[in-house]
Amino acid sequence: KQEVTQIPAALSVPEGENLVLNCSFTDSAIYNLQWFRQDPGKGLTSLLLIQSSQREQTSGRLNASLDKSSGRSTLYIAASQPGDSATYLCAVRRNTGGFKTIFGAGTRLFVKA
Amino acid sequence: SQTIHQWPATLVQPVGSPLSLECTVEGTSNPNLYWYRQAAGRGLQLLFYSVGIGQISSEVPQNLSASRPQDRQFILSSKKLLLSDSGFYLCARGTSGANVLTFGAGSRLTVL
Repeated sequence: KQEVTQIPAALSVPEGENLVLNCSFTDSAIYNLQWFRQDPGKGLTSLLLIQSSQREQTSGRLNASLDKSSGRSTLYIAASQPGDSATYLCAVRRNTGGFKTIFGAGTRLFVKA
Repeated sequence: SQTIHQWPATLVQPVGSPLSLECTVEGTSNPNLYWYRQAAGRGLQLLFYSVGIGQISSEVPQNLSASRPQDRQFILSSKKLLLSDSGFYLCARGTSGANVLTFGAGSRLTVL
């Protein structure tokens, strides 16, 4: 059974700091991994998708890496801004057994101005 | 457009009452569709997924059910709500191939 864990559960940083959010998964047989952002009371917005054959993806100040063999992904946010405050969710799609995508519990980020 | 519409946006229902949450999607035909629930302070729990009309897979035993009467319509239902059914319900679609997930704005259910 695939389990996804995100560390830390919550993080508070001053504006301008670079930060790393961690995601680990127990079954390395994944199809892809997706990072999402969720603002309070809202739906999820996709940030980055990494296919199982890829090692990283970048979009603006965001960089996501994937190490399938160790079951880990990181989301790197450069020069954080107050607008980055949100919950960040990691989700893993299995390689077999249907189209199920399993989510971690998320990291709640607060960037102080 | 891959827009996902969910309604109602918010709902307050008494214990034992029925439930119907609706999700409709735009864009390419035959999408994979999902219902997730997010309880307060917790991650997303996959409830149901569907790969086609009338095809429903259930992930968690519960008093909820799902139906897909049309290609782009996915409905979450209950005959009798429990307090533990309260939460934020999110509908999502997956694209073919990479199955990138796109989410609707969600429906917040409070059972009193």
